[in-house]
Amino acid sequence: DTGVSQNPRHKITKRGQNVTFRCDPISEHNRLYWYRQTLGQGPEFLTYFQNEAQLEKSRLLSDRFSAERPKGSFSTLEIQRTEQGDSAMYLCASSLGTRDYTFGSGTRLTVV
Amino acid sequence: GESVGLHLPTLSVQEGDNSIINCAYSNSASDYFIWYKQESGKGPQFIIDIRSNMDKRQGQRVTVLLNKTVKHLSLQIAATQPGDSAVYFCAENLQAGTALIFGKGTTLSVSS
Repeated sequence: DTGVSQNPRHKITKRGQNVTFRCDPISEHNRLYWYRQTLGQGPEFLTYFQNEAQLEKSRLLSDRFSAERPKGSFSTLEIQRTEQGDSAMYLCASSLGTRDYTFGSGTRLTVV
Repeated sequence: GESVGLHLPTLSVQEGDNSIINCAYSNSASDYFIWYKQESGKGPQFIIDIRSNMDKRQGQRVTVLLNKTVKHLSLQIAATQPGDSAVYFCAENLQAGTALIFGKGTTLSVSS
């Protein structure tokens, strides 16, 4: 297993466009998390799934953001009508229950 | 909301010195803590964790100390090496395996 995989690594988009990121967790991990990190700050929690169920969403997750994990394996994070303030690193993490909380390398989004 | 914070934004040490990175947390109900290392362009990398029923845990060259009385967490790195240069974050959560709350990070610089 190669760890948590995120694609793409970098994304540049024009303001107002929609973008979608993908996360492939460690295969046996049942929990999957999305975080956002801006320069100089620690990651901020967005949402998490246990298997295919989305169990918690942060108030940071506005209605332009949606996350899915349809089969309890990979997950997608979509941002609609992107704004410059959405520019950040989007990190995915996974865990097996309470253990092995592992992050991917992230997708860096730049909105121009 | 409540969050963890780090005492110093930067720490500079000489190779071979011992490093101590500190973190103060505010939520006395937090029961799980993790230290992460983050290098430029990469996701946070797990270093060591500790649960609230412990006050010390040791790993390879690293030790985490938890003082629940004053809500303080520290990471000690023995014989610091240039490869230890990175940003270090402490993170907490109320229940292991759910959302982590990160502080702003301490940048450790190790000179040869």
